[in-house]
Amino acid sequence: ETGVTQSPTHLIKTRGQQVTLRCSSQSGHNTVSWYQQALGQGPQFIFQYYREEENGRGNFPPRFSGLQFPNYSSELNVNALELDDSALYLCASSLASSRSSGNTIYFGEGSWLTVV
Amino acid sequence: AQSVTQLGSHVSVSEGALVLLRCNYSSSVPPYLFWYVQYPNQGLQLLLKYTSAATLVKGINGFEAEFKKSETSFHLTKPSAHMSDAAEYFCAAQGGSEKLVFGKGTKLTVNP
Repeated sequence: ETGVTQSPTHLIKTRGQQVTLRCSSQSGHNTVSWYQQALGQGPQFIFQYYREEENGRGNFPPRFSGLQFPNYSSELNVNALELDDSALYLCASSLASSRSSGNTIYFGEGSWLTVV
Repeated sequence: AQSVTQLGSHVSVSEGALVLLRCNYSSSVPPYLFWYVQYPNQGLQLLLKYTSAATLVKGINGFEAEFKKSETSFHLTKPSAHMSDAAEYFCAAQGGSEKLVFGKGTKLTVNP
């Protein structure tokens, strides 16, 4: 148990639709990141939020967007879904005392998205 | 840009045998390094992390990893494999932000 919860666990969407994935961080954590893990691949960094501000973004198009709320929970939104968006989406949280690194990062169980 | 290479996408060992999973990083500045394990249809569980306090890092479930700067390596080992160790293992590097850069993973099979 990492204390990071994600919903929904599985969902199926049609190409062109929009999806919202949700994440509840471990209590007290102020940093949340989202990763995409395609089948047979390692997770790829999408973006990160630190105290409600975007704090880094990976090589993903603008149709991938996110939010972090005052309670540090987070959403990942994907617009205009494509077949290649089918993947496991992982949320991760940590407590950053500043914008330094080396902190332990805890992952949720993920949301499996299938685009048909 | 930072990168992580895991040598061997599949490793198969017998129960009771040594487990060795290889990881090399590419960075001019030694990053923080992590090993995560992923069981089927689950998220990532942290096994251990290196943050420069000690080069030999002990983790959960009997795993340990040694940081070797001269070889830019952070290989994961376990003296005696157990059936429950069968899973996919990911090495990851972090430097300068909370972003993790992952390797492609190594699937470990443990044979009875």
